[in-house]
Amino acid sequence: GESVGLHLPTLSVQEGDNSIINCAYSNSASDYFIWYKQESGKGPQFIIDIRSNMDKRQGQRVTVLLNKTVKHLSLQIAATQPGDSAVYFCAEKSDGGTSYGKLTFGQGTILTVHP
Amino acid sequence: NAGVMQNPRHLVRRRGQEARLRCSPMKGHSHVYWYRQLPEEGLKFMVYLQKENIIDESGMPKERFSAEFPKEGPSILRIQQVVRGDSAAYFCASSPRWGENEKLFFGSGTQLSVL
Repeated sequence: GESVGLHLPTLSVQEGDNSIINCAYSNSASDYFIWYKQESGKGPQFIIDIRSNMDKRQGQRVTVLLNKTVKHLSLQIAATQPGDSAVYFCAEKSDGGTSYGKLTFGQGTILTVHP
Repeated sequence: NAGVMQNPRHLVRRRGQEARLRCSPMKGHSHVYWYRQLPEEGLKFMVYLQKENIIDESGMPKERFSAEFPKEGPSILRIQQVVRGDSAAYFCASSPRWGENEKLFFGSGTQLSVL
């Protein structure tokens, strides 16, 4: 079936560096993508989203890039801080002709930020 | 403004017992979703409910699992005759409306352990 997956399961960076987390998706019909951050023992926390009619969207210290040609999504975190250490998931909106929050999550990338 | 509340945080059951997981959505939210997360995996959609209605249960196992969202009170995910394979983190999410770019707000989850 259709799926969303990540290239790298772990990423270690130094505090202050920029981080890039990648995600590949296989459903070419997907039109909405979200990045979530999950800290240990907590539920996923919304970071940023992007619709398929956009290539780039920026938030506070985060940027999401979407390349529909190769079905690739990335999350860039500027000036990474220890508090950014968490598991990051990309998720795809599975509309199937409807429009509600039925998401397909990727496997996740563990980001570790060293002081 | 309280977020999505789930209880219990941890639930231990022996094989064959019943597990009841509760979710109170954010104030003003009438849409509830249940997701399951196995260790080191992304979240998997289970069911989407509105008040007194199951809208999409395509991710629910055919047997032993049921969900409800009554007119009054929390949403309940019920697992009958639990088996060890049911051990997972169960997350509830809510959203305010049926729309295209829904942002789901997740609770902290219930960790179910089946002995």
